[in-house]
Amino acid sequence: EVQLLESGGGLVQPGGSLRLSCAASGFTFQNSAMTWVRQAPGKGLEWVSAISGSGESTSYADSVKGRFTISRDNSKHSLFLQVNSLRVEDTAVYYCVKLGFYYEGSGYWTFDYWGQGTLVTVSS
Amino acid sequence: SSELTQDPAVSVALGQTVRITCQGDSLRSYFASWYQQKPGQAPLLVIHGKTKRPSGIPDRFSGSSSGSTASLTITGAQAEDEADYYCNSRDSSGTFLFGGGTKLTVL
Repeated sequence: EVQLLESGGGLVQPGGSLRLSCAASGFTFQNSAMTWVRQAPGKGLEWVSAISGSGESTSYADSVKGRFTISRDNSKHSLFLQVNSLRVEDTAVYYCVKLGFYYEGSGYWTFDYWGQGTLVTVSS
Repeated sequence: SSELTQDPAVSVALGQTVRITCQGDSLRSYFASWYQQKPGQAPLLVIHGKTKRPSGIPDRFSGSSSGSTASLTITGAQAEDEADYYCNSRDSSGTFLFGGGTKLTVL
C-alpha cells in the first residue's frame, strides 16, 4: 500500500522559512518522480514543484521559483520542500504526491497517490 | 501561461448523468486527469489517460476528450459523489496545470 506522510508545517511569520518533509512507503521510491501541490484555505489546487526519481531534474511554478527548493533522499525514501521568503499568500495545505507515468498510445504523467497534507500558515 | 477552465458548480439529480468539463489548449497535446476531493480529505485520482480508472473507482466514472475539452462523466450519480472535482494536465513548458475545480451537488 502506497503511503505518503507529510510533516513540517506550522505557523511562520512573513519572510520566514520551513522545511517540509514527506516519508514515502509502499512503492519503489527511487524510480518515482514526486511533486508538491498546495491548496489555500477554501481555494483550488495549485501545482508547486516536481522532481525526477534521481533528483537530477526539478521544476517549479512561477509563483514559487527562487523561493522554494525541492529535493529528495532516496536512501531514506523521503521528499523535501524548503520554503523560504514566505508570504501570506503561501498559506496552504501542502500535499506530497507521487507522479505516475503511464502509457496509452503515448506516455503521460498523472498524480496517482496523495498524502494527507501539512498546513503552512504564514501570518504575523 | 496556459490555463484549464472548469465551471465552478454543477448539480445533478440522484441517479442521473452529469458531465463536468475542462477546457484548455494543453488538452490538445496532453491527457487530462481528474481528481475527486471531499471536505477535509486529500484529492483522489478517479480518471486518467483516455479513460482509465484506478482500482476501487466505480465504473460509473468515465472520461473523454475532444480537441481542447476534456470531460468527466458520472453515469447514475450517487449521493457519495458529491464533491469537488479537479482536472489537470501537463503544460507545454513541462510544468503542470490544475483547473479551478467544479463543485458537484447531488440533489
